[in-house]
Amino acid sequence: EVQLVESGGGLVQPGGSLRLSCAASGFTFSTYWMSWVRQAPGKGLEWVANINEDGSDYYYVDSVKGRFTISRDNARNSVSLQMNSLRAEDTAVYFCVIYHVSSGFLDYWGQGTLVTVSS
Amino acid sequence: DIQMTQSPSSVSASVGDKVTISCRASQDVSTWLAWYQQKPGKAPKVLIYITSSLQRGVPSRFSGRGSGTDFTLTISSLQPEDSATYYCQQASSFPLTFGGGTKVEIK
Repeated sequence: EVQLVESGGGLVQPGGSLRLSCAASGFTFSTYWMSWVRQAPGKGLEWVANINEDGSDYYYVDSVKGRFTISRDNARNSVSLQMNSLRAEDTAVYFCVIYHVSSGFLDYWGQGTLVTVSS
Repeated sequence: DIQMTQSPSSVSASVGDKVTISCRASQDVSTWLAWYQQKPGKAPKVLIYITSSLQRGVPSRFSGRGSGTDFTLTISSLQPEDSATYYCQQASSFPLTFGGGTKVEIK
């Protein structure tokens, strides 16, 4: 059974940093692209970042470029999102998701972890 | 960036009704279009990818069509468990972008 378990969310002050992690199991992690998608409270979905199978290629939404870094550890079946210079508008539930690059869709989703940026 | 516009933003229909949701892209995305269903407090679930391919396990009452800039998701016979918010998403180019969502309610 595919499982994606996010951790690392919490309350952080504006300008602060947080590192989200996602532990993956139940599939061959090293053969899939991975994504982070977020959802602000009561709002729609926003794609944040993608990373390819071996971590050599990545993409970000403009609003997080230069502040967020996606990375992966295929030996530990995990993907991370380092978030720096956090802003109030980064407040959201962050989902870890398997991305099917050949078909362009987001398949299995984790349960999400809430990040709240507030003073 | 490719903007995705969904309509209507909400719809209320009776069990057994046919429901159609539209999604328009600001530029040609070919058939790189997926649809998701999200219930309150839950993660989204993919229903359809590449415009019309039904994800495994998804009931056949869900169908998708379109190409280029105009797409539709149809629920042929609405069921109580279909009450949810539906999102389209383009995968033609990064950044991946979603529509604003359509809330489907049961009368």
